[in-house]
Amino acid sequence: GIQVEQSPPDLILQEGANSTLRCNFSDSVNNLQWFHQNPWGQLINLFYIPSGTKQNGRLSATTVATERYSLLYISSSQTTDSGVYFCAVVSEYGNKLVFGAGTILRVKS
Amino acid sequence: DGGITQSPKYLFRKEGQNVTLSCEQNLNHDAMYWYRQDPGQGLRLIYYSQIVNDFQKGDIAEGYSVSREKKESFPLTVTSAQKNPTAFYLCASSIVLAGQETFFGQGTRLTVV
Repeated sequence: GIQVEQSPPDLILQEGANSTLRCNFSDSVNNLQWFHQNPWGQLINLFYIPSGTKQNGRLSATTVATERYSLLYISSSQTTDSGVYFCAVVSEYGNKLVFGAGTILRVKS
Repeated sequence: DGGITQSPKYLFRKEGQNVTLSCEQNLNHDAMYWYRQDPGQGLRLIYYSQIVNDFQKGDIAEGYSVSREKKESFPLTVTSAQKNPTAFYLCASSIVLAGQETFFGQGTRLTVV
């Protein structure tokens, strides 16, 4: 099945810093989502982005489907950005959302 | 408010007991899913359903059972056959199977005591 690799596994930032999280996948995809899991476990939808670029406030995402990767940019980080960021994909001939292992982000004040 | 409601939020079970986790959605989505998350890991698919009265095993279905008698409801039973049931369980839904965005409930944390 499709493999999803996220990097880095852990990231510590000072408040106000920028960061880039990466998601590599091993096959063509029809569906790619980025989620933020908050300290209470809730998965919050950040982007649905099988291709192209989207922006939402301080967050933006780019997926280059032909090269099989997606990037999540966080600018001017805040302590509330802390948590785990997951990338999840559905392969071209698949029928389920497959998750990466996540990136743990800690933003210090 | 539209969304996915899971209950209870926390659940304690004695070894050897079956327990059922509730998941209800009012998004009018056809597809529903159950995922399991262990500490420090990603999510793994237990079962999914693309339509009422139909469901399929995911990657880790052993020791679990589901039903889909109504479009809005997809309960998960953790049976005594599940050898390591302590985990965080997340229910999700999407308009169609693996289509467009998938949305998640707030999760149920199950602990075996």
